Amino acid sequence: DAGVTQSPTHLIKTRGQQVTLRCSPKSGHDTVSWYQQALGQGPQFIFQYYEEEERQRGNFPDRFSGHQFPNYSSELNVNALLLGDSALYLCASSLLNRNSGNTIYFGEGSWLTVV
Amino acid sequence: AQKVTQAQTEISVVEKEDVTLDCVYETRDTTYYLFWYKQPPSGELVFLIRRNSFDEQNEISGRYSWNFQKSTSSFNFTITASQVVDSAVYFCALSDSNNAGNMLTFGGGTRLMVKP
Repeated sequence: DAGVTQSPTHLIKTRGQQVTLRCSPKSGHDTVSWYQQALGQGPQFIFQYYEEEERQRGNFPDRFSGHQFPNYSSELNVNALLLGDSALYLCASSLLNRNSGNTIYFGEGSWLTVV
Repeated sequence: AQKVTQAQTEISVVEKEDVTLDCVYETRDTTYYLFWYKQPPSGELVFLIRRNSFDEQNEISGRYSWNFQKSTSSFNFTITASQVVDSAVYFCALSDSNNAGNMLTFGGGTRLMVKP
């Protein structure tokens, strides 16, 4: 049973460029969330996708956008990259169930460096 | 607003010592969920435990144990007889009932170093 998979694992971009990160959720999961983790800090929630729609959003600018596909996989896009966008981007998957808590599983992340 | 505080930024112990990682949370909800994750240098967040707010029983899993106390809004994590492989950053996280565990608020993490 494959867990959460992310690609690419590492990438370097130049300020002003755009980047796309990809995530495949754990088998059976229908909800994907993205988190940004700056060096030495805890992960910060960016947004969550369910049924191909953005359901919740954290305190991130519109430069951060996403998409969820019919197979539940997801993409995170960041436009006009800033040096401060350098971070580990984590994808998390779960099964949406508002009646009980869910276990959220994370991928290994994509390390983005903006130069 | 939700908040998770891990006051210990870094802890260093010698192998076989017991160590407790503290976690204090804030939430207005009566139903919420608490988590602990381990993050090794590779970056992946490894799930350790999920606890519902209405279940205050402490839990033990091998060398790991968790002490949940609603009265003090704390969810502490103890590693007994620590090993070098326990070295990692540990995160405590909180999710409220509206998100049913799908959106996490993380603490700043505690870096645990276990020396041989």
